[in-house]
Amino acid sequence: DAGITQSPRHKVTETGTPVTLRCHQTENHRYMYWYRQDPGHGLRLIHYSYGVKDTDKGEVSDGYSVSRSKTEDFLLTLESATSSQTSVYFCAISESAISTDTQYFGPGTRLTVL
Amino acid sequence: AQKVTQAQTEISVVEKEDVTLDCVYETRDTTYYLFWYKQPPSGELVFLIRRNSFDEQNEISGRYSWNFQKSTSSFNFTITASQVVDSAVYFCALSETSGTYKYIFGTGTRLKVLA
Repeated sequence: DAGITQSPRHKVTETGTPVTLRCHQTENHRYMYWYRQDPGHGLRLIHYSYGVKDTDKGEVSDGYSVSRSKTEDFLLTLESATSSQTSVYFCAISESAISTDTQYFGPGTRLTVL
Repeated sequence: AQKVTQAQTEISVVEKEDVTLDCVYETRDTTYYLFWYKQPPSGELVFLIRRNSFDEQNEISGRYSWNFQKSTSSFNFTITASQVVDSAVYFCALSETSGTYKYIFGTGTRLKVLA
């Protein structure tokens, strides 16, 4: 199994509060991704990173920001959480430079925004 | 545009039955990759298979097999002699080589295997 951890695994917060989710990998993979999973939508890409300090937006990036200061860590921040951001968040990693490389997923973080 | 359709929302079978999960995709690329992932009740996403568009050979891994047909844009997944441990949500995903670093996932098929 790929060495990917996410913290916290569960979080309940209130509307308007900032939230940061952390993804940590031990595989030294260059590429990291944040997805959200919602019923009826499968998984959708929020942001991704192709190296330290190199990030780009995915298809549902509004309301989210990311940072990557070290190869092993990729942070997802909700600056002001809203109820629509209640979801399960998955981090993924891949080794290769091409978009078609296999992505391996972390265990997920369940976020509830009240 | 990319699209992945998993029309079967939920399937229930009795243990030892064979079951096929359908995946139909749309892409304009000639080179692309297809994936299947399993999400058991514990919630993690487990990689099952990766297939490129130039390899139409069927793949078999134990009780799992995959049928890739470019003519019908399908990449179906069959579980032979299903077991209760196969109960999970299964996702099909597509990635194009001309795109950025993203997959397009289907909405998943929930498989329930009853003892």
